[in-house]
Amino acid sequence: GAGVSQSPSNKVTEKGKDVELRCDPISGHTALYWYRQSLGQGLEFLIYFQGNSAPDKSGLPSDRFSAERTGGSVSTLTIQRTQQEDSAVYLCASAYRGLEQFFGPGTRLTVL
Amino acid sequence: KNEVEQSPQNLTAQEGEFITINCSYSVGISALHWLQQHPGGGIVSLFMLSSGKKKHGRLIATINIQEKHSSLHITASHPRDSAVYICALNYNTDKLIFGTGTRLQVFP
Repeated sequence: GAGVSQSPSNKVTEKGKDVELRCDPISGHTALYWYRQSLGQGLEFLIYFQGNSAPDKSGLPSDRFSAERTGGSVSTLTIQRTQQEDSAVYLCASAYRGLEQFFGPGTRLTVL
Repeated sequence: KNEVEQSPQNLTAQEGEFITINCSYSVGISALHWLQQHPGGGIVSLFMLSSGKKKHGRLIATINIQEKHSSLHITASHPRDSAVYICALNYNTDKLIFGTGTRLQVFP
């Protein structure tokens, strides 16, 4: 695949359930970012992975949010005990060494 | 105060008009990005610049580091240019800080 892919494209869940969102970055990209965009709001940084360095988790809104990046490639964003305010589009982007970021299509999460 | 301010928030234009979107920021940066988000939600990186000017097709981006200001220009605008244009900064790290976006509508 030529671009960043994310799955699922849409996820509807009930309040209190856990969800996992997946991101497949562009092969060879060392940096991977998670952002979210709530309805009618701007983009918000969540977490950033760069190579083997410790991730920058400064944007995670609560300890219910976590992310991992296995083998320097695929990343999973996990939201535990989802709340209605978690409803948003979650976007993943990848880049080579902090250069231009390429965005995935996003996962639209709806928490009922 | 938001580190990144965009203006205008909303912009309408007639096809063929020259369009300018402005971005001002208050912090030292390593790079500034212009992104385009279409109604379907997909985001495309248009430019990444740290000085001077870049041109791609009908799009031109400029940055003035001393004045902490960047502009995105669209020449001969077309309805397919209708989108939200977002200014974003690399500030200290590689993560991006985003402006609130400028919603552009170009009418035929």
